[in-house]
Order: sequence, then structure tokens, then C-alpha cells
Amino acid sequence: DSGVTQTPKHLITATGQRVTLRCSPRSGDLSVYWYQQSLDQGLQFLIHYYNGEERAKGNILERFSAQQFPDLHSELNLSSLELGDSALYFCASSVKGQGAYEQYFGPGTRLTVT
Amino acid sequence: QKEVEQDPGPLSVPEGAIVSLNCTYSNSAFQYFMWYRQYSRKGPELLMYTYSSGNKEDGRFTAQVDKSSKYISLFIRDSQPSDSATYLCAMTKSGGSNYKLTFGKGTLLTVNP
Repeated sequence: DSGVTQTPKHLITATGQRVTLRCSPRSGDLSVYWYQQSLDQGLQFLIHYYNGEERAKGNILERFSAQQFPDLHSELNLSSLELGDSALYFCASSVKGQGAYEQYFGPGTRLTVT
Repeated sequence: QKEVEQDPGPLSVPEGAIVSLNCTYSNSAFQYFMWYRQYSRKGPELLMYTYSSGNKEDGRFTAQVDKSSKYISLFIRDSQPSDSATYLCAMTKSGGSNYKLTFGKGTLLTVNP
């Protein structure tokens, strides 16, 4: 158990809908990273938040957004869903400073868009 | 050309074999190199990381980095059926405040009893 929690575990929804994925980092970790894992693309970085502030964006679609709250949990919002958005979504957390590159992953949310 | 290349396998070995997993990369700015293990339908689990070039050993696992060749390896000694999983290499740059990981696509390993 990495100490990172994600809810829900599974999500099935229809095209055009909007969903929210939730992540709670390990105790004391200030950074939250979101990744998408699909069969064809592998694990791809989406976005990084540090202590409530957005720090970097990767291959994140404009239909997707995220935020990190004062209690450090993070939410990833996916809207106008398309079939191609079906994937595993992981968040990872890391400490501040030394060791910030060590990222610990949650169990993921499996999103199925029908 | 993808930044990180990893042979997807699958790789099937008998129990007790030495397993070698490899990745190549193109971005010379990468400084931290990680290996993650991912069981089916689970999140990636950090096995070990290495900074810059060199070797690092942790139990049955040894990670090697050759920056001159842009080549990293993970060796598993005395492989066990419980080692059966997908192994992902990942790497990131040094400095700054964002350590986004760039992953290989993973190698599926099966260790047969």
C-alpha cells in the first residue's frame, strides 16, 4: 500500500458526460501528479500540482482540468467525454525537496466511456 | 522517435532465472532513472531509482545506468513467480520543481514455476 488513495475505483459513463476523479496524497506529500494509462500510449503525464498551485502541464486535453485543495487532495475533472478517454487514471504523490523525484502511485481509477 | 523505448515483450522465464530488462532513451537531460513494477489492474510500485550513471543493488534487484549509451537495465536474480508483472522504466530531469516522469511502455514478465 503506497499510502495514496483514489476514488472511485471504477467509473462507467456515457459519451458527453462529465466525471470527477479524486486523489488523496500520502501524509505530508505536497506534490500530486496525474497520469493517464492507455494500451496504445502507455503512462502519460497530465498535470502536476504542488501545494495548491499548478506547476506543469503535459499532454492534457482542454476538456480536462484539475485542482489541488488546501487539504492537499486533488481532483481531476474530465468533461465532454469521448470513447477515447477510456483509460486508467493514476495520481502519484511525492515529498518536497530531496526525494521529490520519487513518486508513489495510487491504485488508479478505471474509466470506461460507452 | 519516442523519448523512452522499452521492449514490450512478453518475456517468459523459468523460476530461478536471471532476468534482464532494458530501456533506451534519447533525452540527455534525464538524470533520475526509476523502475516500477505493475501487477495487473494495480498502480505502479516504485522498485528502485538511480541518479545519473552507475549501479544500485537492492536484494535480488540491480539497476544499471549508462548515460553515455543512454541505456538503463534492471536485473532480477533468482526470479520468482511473484515477480510476474509488467516492469516500467521511468525517468525525469534534475532541478526545478517539476519532476514529471516519462515512462517506457513496459515489459510484461512471466516467471514460470
